[in-house]
Amino acid sequence: AQSVSQHNHHVILSEAASLELGCNYSYGGTVNLFWYVQYPGQHLQLLLKYFSGDPLVKGIKGFEAEFIKSKFSFNLRKPSVQWSDTAEYFCASPPGETGGYQKVTFGTGTKLQVIP
Amino acid sequence: DGGITQSPKYLFRKEGQNVTLSCEQNLNHDAMYWYRQDPGQGLRLIYYSQIVNDFQKGDIAEGYSVSREKKESFPLTVTSAQKNPTAFYLCASSIRTGRFHEQYFGPGTRLTVT
Repeated sequence: AQSVSQHNHHVILSEAASLELGCNYSYGGTVNLFWYVQYPGQHLQLLLKYFSGDPLVKGIKGFEAEFIKSKFSFNLRKPSVQWSDTAEYFCASPPGETGGYQKVTFGTGTKLQVIP
Repeated sequence: DGGITQSPKYLFRKEGQNVTLSCEQNLNHDAMYWYRQDPGQGLRLIYYSQIVNDFQKGDIAEGYSVSREKKESFPLTVTSAQKNPTAFYLCASSIRTGRFHEQYFGPGTRLTVT
């Protein structure tokens, strides 16, 4: 079964700083990974997704993530954060055919606080 | 507007009472899910349903029950058997994207049991 883990629970950055949030996965066959974001008071929404192909995935709002198979990682990055990026970020393995619906897993989340 | 509706946003109950959380979607999605979100623990799957009149237990189903009588609706009952019911509950539905399912989430219901 594929599981994901996030080691940074709370990150504080100043505006314009670069961001990298860690996500590691345990191998379980075909690897498929998502990043979700939860802005304060808003719905959880999909930031980006990796199914196969190019390991560098571009998402919304200038975010990107790189799938590195040798490191079992799918870290989320943004070159320059803004105050509006303050949110909680979740790495997840999606439900699907190979994993089965019951295999969907979320990381514990990373709270990002951006200071103006 | 298409989306997922959860009501109410905040819910308060006394210990020992059952409570039902509503989840409705007008996205025409087949699959629906219930998650529980606790600080520092991420989202944990309670129940999921792939089609009407069928549902499966997730990782933490004990103390919860669901029904799926209509495609649009997937209510969750938190029973008195749930030992620690105070939490933020999220409902989701999904659409197939290739071989996998992209999930869409509702705004959540924060349940407080005293």
